[in-house]
Amino acid sequence: LAKTTQPISMDSYEGQEVNITCSHNNIATNDYITWYQQFPSQGPRFIIQGYKTKVTNEVASLFIPADRKSSTLSLPRVSLSDTAVYYCLGRRTDKLIFGTGTRLQVFP
Amino acid sequence: ETGVTQTPRHLVMGMTNKKSLKCEQHLGHNAMYWYKQSAKKPLELMFVYNFKEQTENNSVPSRFSPECPNSSHLFLHLHTLQPEDSALYLCASSQGVSIQSVTDTQYFGPGTRLTVL
Repeated sequence: LAKTTQPISMDSYEGQEVNITCSHNNIATNDYITWYQQFPSQGPRFIIQGYKTKVTNEVASLFIPADRKSSTLSLPRVSLSDTAVYYCLGRRTDKLIFGTGTRLQVFP
Repeated sequence: ETGVTQTPRHLVMGMTNKKSLKCEQHLGHNAMYWYKQSAKKPLELMFVYNFKEQTENNSVPSRFSPECPNSSHLFLHLHTLQPEDSALYLCASSQGVSIQSVTDTQYFGPGTRLTVL
């Protein structure tokens, strides 16, 4: 499975758009990119998943360029409640391999 | 509320105690998972059950013993644990139609915070 690298932490302010980039240079043909969100003392929550180009849902957008060696999770107009850890996973099967994630702190 | 509940939410136990963690999913799923999340470490997959059959044991010590009596319930029996086993234990479930399905979204419970003294 693809090893992913993402920033340890990011800061933002309410109302801003936040983009978290994840690197996965050794991504395989069958790997999907999946993002989860985790609040303190809670289990992770699925946000979005994609294979290539752009995927959008009611929570976020996921941009994956043609070479698929990186991906960007975009959170529009963040609020204080978006403060959490965001995990980027390379996924080939039902098995989820979590990394250390990006801790996003949103300030008022 | 994800449809996956875990009890207890907090547990403190001594190294000689025997306790059990319970997970219940109300989503009609067929696959259930146990994960361990230690401080400052990534989530680690421990066990996977699909249609009540264990399909994955990720080299977990025998002091952790899972049980899946039906597709809705999953237990983790604990005995003679060590202080380093203190962690957040998370249960998850998924549709489990296909064991290898990449589109099989996992839904996590809130976890049990375990402290071993």
